[in-house]
Amino acid sequence: ETGVTQSPTHLIKTRGQQVTLRCSSQSGHNTVSWYQQALGQGPQFIFQYYREEENGRGNFPPRFSGLQFPNYSSELNVNALELDDSALYLCASSTKGGLHETQYFGPGTRLLVL
Amino acid sequence: SQQGEEDPQALSIQEGENATMNCSYKTSINNLQWYRQNSGRGLVHLILIRSNEREKHSGRLRVTLDTSKKSSSLLITASRAADTASYFCAIFYNQGGKLIFGQGTELSVKP
Repeated sequence: ETGVTQSPTHLIKTRGQQVTLRCSSQSGHNTVSWYQQALGQGPQFIFQYYREEENGRGNFPPRFSGLQFPNYSSELNVNALELDDSALYLCASSTKGGLHETQYFGPGTRLLVL
Repeated sequence: SQQGEEDPQALSIQEGENATMNCSYKTSINNLQWYRQNSGRGLVHLILIRSNEREKHSGRLRVTLDTSKKSSSLLITASRAADTASYFCAIFYNQGGKLIFGQGTELSVKP
């Protein structure tokens, strides 16, 4: 167990709806990264939050947005859901500037868009 | 593409045999990491190798890195049925702090 938790574990939405996914980082970690993993693919980097600000972003449209809170937990929001947004969403926590750039992953939220 | 490319895509072996997975990449790297994923669940960090290192060991795992060939390999010795999982290499980029993953190798270890 990494100490990173995500909620909910599963979610079903319909096209056009909005969704919020949540992540609690491991104790002592100040950075949260979000990844999208489509079936049979490797995870793709969505964005990273450090000290409540977006620190880097992958090739995802603006309808993917996020927040980080003072306790370092984070939310991923996706607006105007599309069928292709169906995937496993993973968050990972880490310590920026730490000796090792290891990211510790949560169990993921599986989103199905119908 | 910046992502690592893994080979083979799938590997099936008997318990006790060794499993070797390879990863190639295209750009210079800060470090390269290997992760394991069981049945579409969260990823588990296995090992990190820095660009100035050539080989690292962790238990039954051995990772090599050849920066001149832009490639890495993960060797699992004396495999067990519990090693059945998908294995991903991931390249760490300091800018944006992101990991770029390959498509993974699906390893099946038969008892």
